[in-house]
Amino acid sequence: DQQVKQNSPSLSVQEGRISILNCDYTNSMFDYFLWYKKYPAEGPTFLISISSIKDKNEDGRFTVFLNKSAKHLSLHIVPSQPGDSAVYFCAASDWGGSQGNLIFGKGTKLSVKP
Amino acid sequence: NAGVMQNPRHLVRRRGQEARLRCSPMKGHSHVYWYRQLPEEGLKFMVYLQKENIIDESGMPKERFSAEFPKEGPSILRIQQVVRGDSAAYFCASSPLETSGIDDEQFFGPGTRLTVL
Repeated sequence: DQQVKQNSPSLSVQEGRISILNCDYTNSMFDYFLWYKKYPAEGPTFLISISSIKDKNEDGRFTVFLNKSAKHLSLHIVPSQPGDSAVYFCAASDWGGSQGNLIFGKGTKLSVKP
Repeated sequence: NAGVMQNPRHLVRRRGQEARLRCSPMKGHSHVYWYRQLPEEGLKFMVYLQKENIIDESGMPKERFSAEFPKEGPSILRIQQVVRGDSAAYFCASSPLETSGIDDEQFFGPGTRLTVL
């Protein structure tokens, strides 16, 4: 039973346009959400995070939006660049509880075309 | 390079052999997490350790898998009597001593790709 779902396995976007990656979760105890970017043959790299007390967090070209009532979050990348092409994983945790593991989605492969 | 180190990067074993995967956390980090990524899957949590203690092993298979994080040296994920289904990428992550929860992302190593023949 997947607690974190990324329903789009892939996404293709033109350079300069906005990339929107979506993530849904089922566990209402999750209070901290993270996005990781992963290149082939490398470990995931932390990108941006948001706690459940916020609905938006912005860092340069990356913005994460959280809709708690819908149990949905999204990552916006604008403008998209070819170097953004990677697999993006959404992850969630209940830091207030176990403070331990992250629950990951299956990832969305983003391709940004020049 | 002060990042999380994992070795070997690639490991090939025959069925029935043992696999040992090593993880050296970032300097100053005393929390280590192991994740497994099966083909076409996301990362799945296996075990969370602090120095000399297993904090949460709810994601570890009940048999053949064990993990340790000794006072000195790297964390070791050990898989005994490997089977083909153990073939996966195993990632280690670390986080700092003073975990406050918020703003405490985990830093990942490059992973070990285990292939069982």
